[in-house]
Amino acid sequence: AQSVTQLDSQVPVFEEAPVELRCNYSSSVSVYLFWYVQYPNQGLQLLLKYLSGSTLVKGINGFEAEFNKSQTSFHLRKPSVHISDTAEYFCAVARADAGNKLTFGGGTRVLVKP
Amino acid sequence: ETGVTQSPTHLIKTRGQQVTLRCSSQSGHNTVSWYQQALGQGPQFIFQYYREEENGRGNFPPRFSGLQFPNYSSELNVNALELDDSALYLCASSLGTSYNTGELFFGEGSRLTVL
Repeated sequence: AQSVTQLDSQVPVFEEAPVELRCNYSSSVSVYLFWYVQYPNQGLQLLLKYLSGSTLVKGINGFEAEFNKSQTSFHLRKPSVHISDTAEYFCAVARADAGNKLTFGGGTRVLVKP
Repeated sequence: ETGVTQSPTHLIKTRGQQVTLRCSSQSGHNTVSWYQQALGQGPQFIFQYYREEENGRGNFPPRFSGLQFPNYSSELNVNALELDDSALYLCASSLGTSYNTGELFFGEGSRLTVL
C-alpha cells in the first residue's frame, strides 16, 4: 500500500515571499506523483504531475516540484506567492501499475498574508 | 465542453437514513471515481467505475455502493448512515483508467452532514 505524508499542516507566508510545501511518500512499487490545489468551497484542481522523465516538473500558476526517488519526496515550491495562492494543497500518489486511483496526503493549508 | 457536476451541493440526513449522490461526468469521459473528504483531511478513494463496471474499491464497507449509467453519469449510495459519514464527497471523471490516457477532473463536491 502507498502512503503520503505532508509534513506541515499549515504554512503562513507573506505575499511575494517563496514557499515550499513538503511531501514524502512510501511505496513498494513505482508511483506517479501529483499536487492538487483546493480553493475554499471548490473541488480539486491539478497543479502538476510527475509520471516519468525529468525530475523537475513545472505546473500551473508558477508552481514547480522536484521528484527525489532516494528521499521519496516530491516537494512543491513557488518563488513568489500571491494572495490568490491562499488555499489547501494536497500531495497524492498513484501506483504506476494500478491506474488513476489516488492516495492523498492530509493537506497543507497555505495562508498568504499581505 | 462541460465540466464535472455534482448534486446536491449540500444535504443533511439523520443517522440510519440512506443517501444518493449524483455525478455528471465531463463530456467524453468513460471513467468515474468517488472520494470521501472528511473535514481537515485529504480525500480517500471509495471506488471507481469504468464502462459501468466497478474497477477498484478502497477501504469502505459494503454500505457504500455505486452505479455508472450508459451515459457515464454516476451515483454514490450510502446506506445506514453513521455520524462519521459526514464529509465532502468528490466525484472525478477521466478518459480511461490510466494516467497515460487522461487525468482526473474533479467536481466541486456534495457536502453531507449526518446528525
